[in-house]
Amino acid sequence: SQQGEEDPQALSIQEGENATMNCSYKTSINNLQWYRQNSGRGLVHLILIRSNEREKHSGRLRVTLDTSKKSSSLLITASRAADTASYFCATDGTGANNLFFGTGTRLTVIP
Amino acid sequence: EAQVTQNPRYLITVTGKKLTVTCSQNMNHEYMSWYRQDPGLGLRQIYYSMNVEVTDKGDVPEGYKVSRKEKRNFPLILESPSPNQTSLYFCASSWGGTETQYFGPGTRLLVL
Repeated sequence: SQQGEEDPQALSIQEGENATMNCSYKTSINNLQWYRQNSGRGLVHLILIRSNEREKHSGRLRVTLDTSKKSSSLLITASRAADTASYFCATDGTGANNLFFGTGTRLTVIP
Repeated sequence: EAQVTQNPRYLITVTGKKLTVTCSQNMNHEYMSWYRQDPGLGLRQIYYSMNVEVTDKGDVPEGYKVSRKEKRNFPLILESPSPNQTSLYFCASSWGGTETQYFGPGTRLLVL
């Protein structure tokens, strides 16, 4: 399966701490994306990193990609209670027309 | 405002009663898709459409139908719903299947 797999499944931290989530995948990719989902709502795109990129930043988000290890990490710095959500990685595959989503990491930020 | 809309947002129905969930986008996207989300299984793609009159199966197409007669609309049809189709459904659109996806707010379906 090309589906990404997030780790950990759940993460609980105090407000102000950093949160790190990981995604591993199985096949070669062209890009990897991270999405956020607030409880029961639609997913919101956070960041896209292409296979020839190693790191990307967007505000308090930092994404890294290691294609040799087939893994990516999402770092949220100085977390806030509003960051409480589920985070999903999504990968394409060489020749694929679609994205494949993982099962997500549930992040809880305690005020 | 750029958005993907879905209707209805909540639906309770009975086994075998045909239903349609509508999806519409106002971003002139060519690509649209449907996903279902179940606890522990993440998002699984049901069907997708690369353009008008072009549709294809995703990972879990059984029991579903779609059509793409206009660029903006991509309805999901359950001709004979069964309890195992109880789920949270999302429509999404984008410029391409592997590009940034824009998701609708979701439709929560309960089949009794």
